Amino acid sequence: QKEVEQDPGPLSVPEGAIVSLNCTYSNSAFQYFMWYRQYSRKGPELLMYTYSSGNKEDGRFTAQVDKSSKYISLFIRDSQPSDSATYLCAMSAKGKLIFGQGTELSVKP
Amino acid sequence: DAGITQSPRYKITETGRQVTLMCHQTWSHSYMFWYRQDLGHGLRLIYYSAAADITDKGEVPDGYVVSRSKTENFPLTLESATRSQTSVYFCASSGWTSSDTQYFGPGTRLTVL
Repeated sequence: QKEVEQDPGPLSVPEGAIVSLNCTYSNSAFQYFMWYRQYSRKGPELLMYTYSSGNKEDGRFTAQVDKSSKYISLFIRDSQPSDSATYLCAMSAKGKLIFGQGTELSVKP
Repeated sequence: DAGITQSPRYKITETGRQVTLMCHQTWSHSYMFWYRQDLGHGLRLIYYSAAADITDKGEVPDGYVVSRSKTENFPLTLESATRSQTSVYFCASSGWTSSDTQYFGPGTRLTVL
């Protein structure tokens, strides 16, 4: 079993939809939780960063962490075609990031 | 320009050849990392470095060698390339602790024939 599980998709939604992306994990030592966005043929870029449980909002993006359930989510409101990318969750413990496989998202105009 | 750069961006080589991928960052970040990205596996850590002359293995280090003589550079060498090393390689760096945000380079697409 992988330490971090993420549904690879692909996920296709119409413009304006609310998107929910999720990851589960097995290592209770994870303390830092991140979401990266990766456009085609580019390097990943940090989108959201949270420490421990709770919610964090940044514009149309909301990151949620539920450590009791070992579950993290990224919500995208009013999705735009420019949000089309692969979204990778990542978690950190003991100095290393462990990435999920990434979910490929396509937002159709 | 400030940031993290990788070279070459694309490389085709043959089985058995030695290949070196370069990574350079201008932030004076302490930590640097090498990942490979493959379909079905996501990003996997190959090697990382906490500072100049300090390196350690990641999840998939076999067949790779790293060095870090200067803070800003972190080259990755495939001593004898194999087809299974065909992948996209990303270099990343982070600040004072390895739990800090990692910033990624644009990647090197390597094909081993």
